[in-house]
Amino acid sequence: GDSVTQMEGPVTLSEEAFLTINCTYTATGYPSLFWYVQYPGEGLQLLLKATKADDKGSNKGFEATYRKETTSFHLEKGSVQVSDSAVYFCALIINTGGFKTIFGAGTRLFVKA
Amino acid sequence: EPEVTQTPSHQVTQMGQEVILRCVPISNHLYFYWYRQILGQKVEFLVSFYNNEISEKSEIFDDQFSVERPDGSNFTLKIRSTKLEDSAMYFCASTERGGVGELFFGEGSRLTVL
Repeated sequence: GDSVTQMEGPVTLSEEAFLTINCTYTATGYPSLFWYVQYPGEGLQLLLKATKADDKGSNKGFEATYRKETTSFHLEKGSVQVSDSAVYFCALIINTGGFKTIFGAGTRLFVKA
Repeated sequence: EPEVTQTPSHQVTQMGQEVILRCVPISNHLYFYWYRQILGQKVEFLVSFYNNEISEKSEIFDDQFSVERPDGSNFTLKIRSTKLEDSAMYFCASTERGGVGELFFGEGSRLTVL
């Protein structure tokens, strides 16, 4: 079935370190891919998205490229800040008559000053 | 900026009681969703709703659950007879377009079943 797998956390980094959070997916057809972020005590917010192969989504210094050949959508940021501490969810949308977003398990990021 | 609003923010109930969680989606959105997140676990899809009917539901969304859009602005999730394992954060979301539209989430309703 359709699914999203992302690296387990927590990930702990020092400020200004490079971040990669891996995400791979299994889906029939051509899903759209998303990264959502959840800050402590809040709901989920869209961070970035890509709707077709080789698209790169970017926002707030974060980037992810839709790689169809490796079925991946890894999240990267060159220099993290303490304020980036949150849980990051990789997700895809599939059309099964209705539209359903499937989320990965989430990766918690801690950034130390 | 338009937002999805949810009430209540936290509800505590006894096992076996009925609970209704309310959501006001963004006004021009057409697709509505409920998700839940058990503490520390993944976000799970429950149901999607379009054109006044359920378009997709998960295996979690059994006969104890129902959704309704009673008046063109509210979108409600009802749990008929709550169980301990229904304790979770319930998120409402809406989107203008189904396929690639950004999901806009509310801040969630925390349900605690005792």
